[in-house]
This record gives sequence, structure tokens and C-alpha cells, in this order.
Amino acid sequence: KAGVTQTPRYLIKTRGQQVTLSCSPISGHRSVSWYQQTPGQGLQFLFEYFSETQRNKGNFPGRFSGRQFSNSRSEMNVSTLELGDSALYLCASSRDGPYIEQFFGPGTRLTVL
Amino acid sequence: AQTVTQSQPEMSVQEAETVTLSCTYDTSESDYYLFWYKQPPSRQMILVIRQEAYKQQNATENRFSVNFQKAAKSFSLKISDSQLGDAAMYFCAYRRTPSTSGTYKYIFGTGTRLKVLA
Repeated sequence: KAGVTQTPRYLIKTRGQQVTLSCSPISGHRSVSWYQQTPGQGLQFLFEYFSETQRNKGNFPGRFSGRQFSNSRSEMNVSTLELGDSALYLCASSRDGPYIEQFFGPGTRLTVL
Repeated sequence: AQTVTQSQPEMSVQEAETVTLSCTYDTSESDYYLFWYKQPPSRQMILVIRQEAYKQQNATENRFSVNFQKAAKSFSLKISDSQLGDAAMYFCAYRRTPSTSGTYKYIFGTGTRLKVLA
């Protein structure tokens, strides 16, 4: 079974630009969560999508948005990029219910210059 | 709000020795799940071990075991017979059980970088 895939793996953008990251979950997984990972901050939860609906949201500004498609693939968009947005963005998928492990993708390394 | 604290940013252990990584959390919930995830350098994060709060018995997975102290809200990870491949960032995570609204999320600590010395 294929794992969680994220594209692109690396991105370099400049301040003010916008970026879209993509995540394909494991087949059969309907929940997709996004995290921002930075040194010293650990993983900060961005949002979770389930069946095309945002089910949970973290404490990030409105510049960060996402969506999920009917095939459970998810995209995350960041508009008006700031230097502080430089981070590893991780996507994780899971089935729903208790005892459920999240399966992580390799991440997208975003650098904002 | 729930929080997860890992007070050791970095630890070292000699190969074949035992090391314990600390994690404390804060919650008012009585039913929840705790996890340890491992993130090797430039590799994907994987689950190491998980513990259901209602279970008193500590979880064990081969060389990995936890010391779950619910009253103290402590969840430490013990790695026995450390191997070079254990070198990674380790994250402690908390997840409440689904409420009637069905919403929940994972809360991660800031991580502990484990170095294994040959």
C-alpha cells in the first residue's frame, strides 16, 4: 500500500507570494491533517479535513487555508508569504475513530526569502 | 487547553545502553491517547508506541516501553539496548478521544533529539 505523498518536496518562494502544497493520503484514509514544523516549536497543528470538510483548525492566521477533494487528496495554501512561514509542512492521514495512528508524509520544505 | 511538554531538547546515549525520554502533559480529560513518534533525519515520522489512558498497563513494543503515570500526567519513553538507528527526533503527542461533536486533534511536544554514540 502506498504511503502518504506530498508534492513538491522543496519550494523556494519570496515574501508576498503565495504557495500551494499537495498531499495524497493513504488509500482508504479520509482524514488529512496538516502541521507546520519549525526548530524549537515542534509540530504546530494547522487544520484537519475529513470528507471534504474542515473538522478542526489550529491557531494560524487566515493566510493559511486548505481544502480536501472527494478523493481525499488535500491541498494547503499560504497567501502573502512571510519569512516566518519558512518551515517543514507535514501532512498526515488516518482512518477515523479511536486508536487511530496518523501516517505522515515526507513533508514539503518551504523556504521564504 | 491541553499541552504537551518535552523538557529535554537533546539527549545522548551510548550504543547498547538504555535511555529514557520525558514527556508531561496537561489535560482535564479522563480519556485520551498518548503517542511517541520518531522522526529520523530526513525521513518520515513513524509511530513508535501508543498508550490508551484507560489502560493501567504500560505499553511495550520490542525495545521500546513507556512509563505511564496518569495521576502525575507523565508519559516517558524508555529505549533499551539503544542502536545507531534509534538516532532521531522523538515527539510525544496527545489526542483526546472523540467527543460527541466528533472533533479532536493531536497535540505534539517540541521534541527531543536523541543521539546514539558508537
